[in-house]
Amino acid sequence: QVQLVQSGAEVKKPGASVKVSCKASGYTFTGYYMHWVRQAPGQGLEWMGWINPNSGGTNYAQKFQGRVTMTRDTSISTAYMELSRLRSDDTAVYYCAREGRYCTNGVCYYIADYWGQGTLVTVSS
Amino acid sequence: DIQMTQSPSSVSASVGDRVTITCRASQGISSWLAWYQQKPGKAPKLLIYAASSLQSGVPSRFSGSGSGTDFTLTISSLQPEDFATYYCQQANSFWTFGQGTKVEIK
Repeated sequence: QVQLVQSGAEVKKPGASVKVSCKASGYTFTGYYMHWVRQAPGQGLEWMGWINPNSGGTNYAQKFQGRVTMTRDTSISTAYMELSRLRSDDTAVYYCAREGRYCTNGVCYYIADYWGQGTLVTVSS
Repeated sequence: DIQMTQSPSSVSASVGDRVTITCRASQGISSWLAWYQQKPGKAPKLLIYAASSLQSGVPSRFSGSGSGTDFTLTISSLQPEDFATYYCQQANSFWTFGQGTKVEIK
């Protein structure tokens, strides 16, 4: 069965960086894009970007350009999301989500079908 | 960027009620819309994709409709396990989520 297992909670000071991992199992890691989505306390979901585990290509939301880096290690089926220059408003649960391909009526849709359990990142002085 | 607006932001309902949540896109997205359910402390769960296709294993009391800019999620007969927050998501141009609708016990 498909599983995405993320690394544990982190506490960071403002200005520091954090790197969250997402280990995939139960499917071919290089066959599916991986997205990162975050959720601030009591707030909604915010898309951060994706990585193509096969090529390493990335696409980041404009809001995070210059601060986020998504990488992967195919030898251990793990994706990473690093966020730098942390601020207090980066406090959130960070999720990885696999982009599944679902086809109906001749059209294929790419959506988040499996999610990691989430990693709480707290930014506090 | 495509903005997604959900309404209402919260709804109080009883077991057995019919609940409808709406989602509006700031520009046309054809059927590139998904719905997710999220319970406290848990990751979102995919309910519907392509605006109206039910994800495998999701009860048939959930249904979706719409195309273009206006979409709805309907729960035909609310069950105790359905009290949660629901999000729409557009996948036409990158991803954007609605702000969420919390379904609460009346």
